[in-house]
Amino acid sequence: GQNIDQPTEMTATEGAIVQINCTYQTSGFNGLFWYQQHAGEAPTFLSYNVLDGLEEKGRFSSFLSRSKGYSYLLLKELQMKDSASYLCAVRDSNYQLIWGAGTKLIIKP
Amino acid sequence: ETGVTQTPRHLVMGMTNKKSLKCEQHLGHNAMYWYKQSAKKPLELMFVYNFKEQTENNSVPSRFSPECPNSSHLFLHLHTLQPEDSALYLCASSQDQASGLDEQYFGPGTRLTVT
Repeated sequence: GQNIDQPTEMTATEGAIVQINCTYQTSGFNGLFWYQQHAGEAPTFLSYNVLDGLEEKGRFSSFLSRSKGYSYLLLKELQMKDSASYLCAVRDSNYQLIWGAGTKLIIKP
Repeated sequence: ETGVTQTPRHLVMGMTNKKSLKCEQHLGHNAMYWYKQSAKKPLELMFVYNFKEQTENNSVPSRFSPECPNSSHLFLHLHTLQPEDSALYLCASSQDQASGLDEQYFGPGTRLTVT
């Protein structure tokens, strides 16, 4: 079956760096997405990786290793507003998104 | 209106009721999606329409019935639901399901409670 694994919850300190990992087993691979979802709100797109390596976008970076079925989202200079759930999703061979259950990130002052 | 809108935002219905959820996108996209989001579970893809053609129906019970009259509107018709159907129902749209970077834009969701 298809499976996306990510930690349920993580805690970090304001101003610090946090890495949220995602491992996947899917039938085919056509890209990996990270979304942010604040409590009570809709998910919003953060990043997309289809080739191995690091994609940087401001304070957020996302890394992909297709051979290892592994990705991480790196958040730098954490701010209180970064408290949210972070969803990892992989597009399979049918171009269908398979979603992880999300990682709830708690930022402490 | 911009982005993806959903109505109603909250819905309480009995198991014998019939109701419909509405989604509208103002982004000129060609693909629209219905998702179910339950607490601490992955987003469950229910239905996909790409260029108004239904391309996915992931073993969703027949008490959920989608309708896509045009590329901007998507409905989810509900009848004889069960309490376990209580969840957040999210609508999303994207440019083209089979294209490269095809990020999905989500609506705010409808919080459904079945009593």
